[in-house]
Amino acid sequence: EAQVTQNPRYLITVTGKKLTVTCSQNMNHEYMSWYRQDPGLGLRQIYYSMNVEVTDKGDVPEGYKVSRKEKRNFPLILESPSPNQTSLYFCASRPGPTVYGYTFGSGTRLTVV
Amino acid sequence: RKEVEQDPGPFNVPEGATVAFNCTYSNSASQSFFWYRQDCRKEPKLLMSVYSSGNEDGRFTAQLNRASQYISLLIRDSKLSDSATYLCVVNVDYGQNFVFGPGTRLSVLP
Repeated sequence: EAQVTQNPRYLITVTGKKLTVTCSQNMNHEYMSWYRQDPGLGLRQIYYSMNVEVTDKGDVPEGYKVSRKEKRNFPLILESPSPNQTSLYFCASRPGPTVYGYTFGSGTRLTVV
Repeated sequence: RKEVEQDPGPFNVPEGATVAFNCTYSNSASQSFFWYRQDCRKEPKLLMSVYSSGNEDGRFTAQLNRASQYISLLIRDSKLSDSATYLCVVNVDYGQNFVFGPGTRLSVLP
């Protein structure tokens, strides 16, 4: 089944403790992206990648890192999480510079206390 | 002005009703357009792409007016299962810049 897989689905952590949210897609898509969704603010792009070793900042990149060492994986790293990073996170992928939309993962609900 | 604006909603309609959602976008360089639906606390799912000529998929019809920078979604014969938030999405230059609207919530009532 074609899909984007994120892990974990739920995570509660403490301020300052480094964490990684994994994302993997099995559709051989070039483009991958991370979004966060907050009430009243909608979906905002954190980082995106257009191919292996090609990443760039989205609208809200502060406090996050990403890497794209393989085409299928695009982990999101929070080096020192803070409570304002409590949010619902989505990873997404799409084939490339085409008319196709993004396919989203199931989401990761992160709480930083 | 926000890049993508939608009807604020919520829309509460009876089963069987026809409902229309509107969306406007500000970037005239936008190239591709989509409607997504999102159920509560779930991921957004692509409902349909929106083409210049307009397109239909069963009970759903999408229209695009580039001159007015306006997109619409029409749902006919609403079902209870149509209850969700509908997101208008605009992509500039087929690149990474996908801009999501704030969404319009629909509740279909029995």
